[in-house]
Amino acid sequence: GAGVSQTPSNKVTEKGKYVELRCDPISGHTALYWYRQSLGQGPEFLIYFQGTGAADDSGLPNDRFFAVRPEGSVSTLKIQRTERGDSAVYLCASSLNRGLTDTQYFGPGTRLTVL
Amino acid sequence: ELKVEQNPLFLSMQEGKNYTIYCNYSTTSDRLYWYRQDPGKSLESLFVLLSNGAVKQEGRLMASLDTKARLSTLHITAAVHDLSATYFCAVDSGGGADGLTFGKGTHLIIQP
Repeated sequence: GAGVSQTPSNKVTEKGKYVELRCDPISGHTALYWYRQSLGQGPEFLIYFQGTGAADDSGLPNDRFFAVRPEGSVSTLKIQRTERGDSAVYLCASSLNRGLTDTQYFGPGTRLTVL
Repeated sequence: ELKVEQNPLFLSMQEGKNYTIYCNYSTTSDRLYWYRQDPGKSLESLFVLLSNGAVKQEGRLMASLDTKARLSTLHITAAVHDLSATYFCAVDSGGGADGLTFGKGTHLIIQP
């Protein structure tokens, strides 16, 4: 079946601009996660949704970052007033639920470059 | 704060050799995951380890978990070039809705 998809695959923007990154989870998966991966590092947790609600947004670095999942499926990560330090690969993952054995399945990521 | 440390961070080895990657974590955890990442690609799930003493094997890779020592190992047997990738361990702190905490990854190069 279809995996997690993310669009766009690449996004180049200028400092100070607004960007939206989209994630389509695996159908039926209620849990959705956003991570950010900088070059040479492991993914860093940003936010977790269970259904429509953000159950944990403790990883969002500041209030320029916001994410929504209005219908409990597709999620959008929004970054306002982008800075060069926001450049990274943004990964989305989904899992069936947040049960004991749930594996998070990752999408291909969106590479964000802020000039 | 949960910390996850992997070592080595970089490993170059020859085909046919055996080696082990280590993953230490700082607090009690419910479960530990191993992922593989090829250059420019996303993460592929390899193993989920759920309890002390858990051992899982897939082909030339075997992962184990010692929750008392807060240590997981990923053992590579008779390495082949196709196993060249970056391997991450990740820990779920549990008890809430947190995401995974990842190590920095082990960049593995297997030379023919």
